[in-house]
Amino acid sequence: DQQVKQNSPSLSVQEGRISILNCDYTNSMFDYFLWYKKYPAEGPTFLISISSIKDKNEDGRFTVFLNKSAKHLSLHIVPSQPGDSAVYFCAGRQGGSEKLVFGKGTKLTVNP
Amino acid sequence: DVKVTQSSRYLVKRTGEKVFLECVQDMDHENMFWYRQDPGLGLRLIYFSYDVKMKEKGDIPEGYSVSREKKERFSLILESASTNQTSMYLCASRERPRTDTQYFGPGTRLTVL
Repeated sequence: DQQVKQNSPSLSVQEGRISILNCDYTNSMFDYFLWYKKYPAEGPTFLISISSIKDKNEDGRFTVFLNKSAKHLSLHIVPSQPGDSAVYFCAGRQGGSEKLVFGKGTKLTVNP
Repeated sequence: DVKVTQSSRYLVKRTGEKVFLECVQDMDHENMFWYRQDPGLGLRLIYFSYDVKMKEKGDIPEGYSVSREKKERFSLILESASTNQTSMYLCASRERPRTDTQYFGPGTRLTVL
C-alpha cells in the first residue's frame, strides 16, 4: 500500500514561471511532511517541511501548502530557475514513528 | 552544517560477495537510516537505528543486515550480494528530538555483476 503518492513522474516548466509539485497521502496519522530535492548522483537535500497543524509554510521561493481534509500537499516554486531541475520527493512521518515514508518522486525540468 | 559521509561513491561487486557500506555522521545524531533508491520506486527504507547497538527493520530488510557499534557510524551489510541489489544506497541521520529532518549522505552506487 503506497501511503505517499506523487502521481506525476515528471513536470516541465519555463524559467520564471511557477512550478507546482503535488503529493497525496493516505495515512491520516501523518503529522509532519517534508520535501527533498535530489540531483543525479547526489543524496537528497532537505528543502522545506510543514507540520500538520499548519496549512502553509514559506521559505524564499518555496512554499508548501497542506490540505488535511483532502490529504494533499503541494510544493510551489516561484519563480522557477534552471537550477531547480531535479527530482523532488515528498515524505510523511507518522506521529511517534522514527520513519519517513517517501513518494516515488517527480522529476522537474525548468527550461531556460 | 550536518555532514553525512559514505565510504564509497561507486562500488562494483560480484554475485555472492559480502559487501560493506559505511556511513559516518559528525553531528552526534541518535538516529541513522539506510535507504535504497531505484527508478520508479523512490526511496525505500532498509534498516534504521535508534541508537548504538539498536536497530529496527525497515520496509525491505531481506538480504541485508546492519551494525551500529559507535554512535557516529552505521554500516549496511550485504551478506551475499545478488544482482537485484544493484542500486543507489543512501544513508541518513537525524537528531532527536529537536527536529524531524533527515540529512542524507551523497549515496553509494552499487553494481552487482
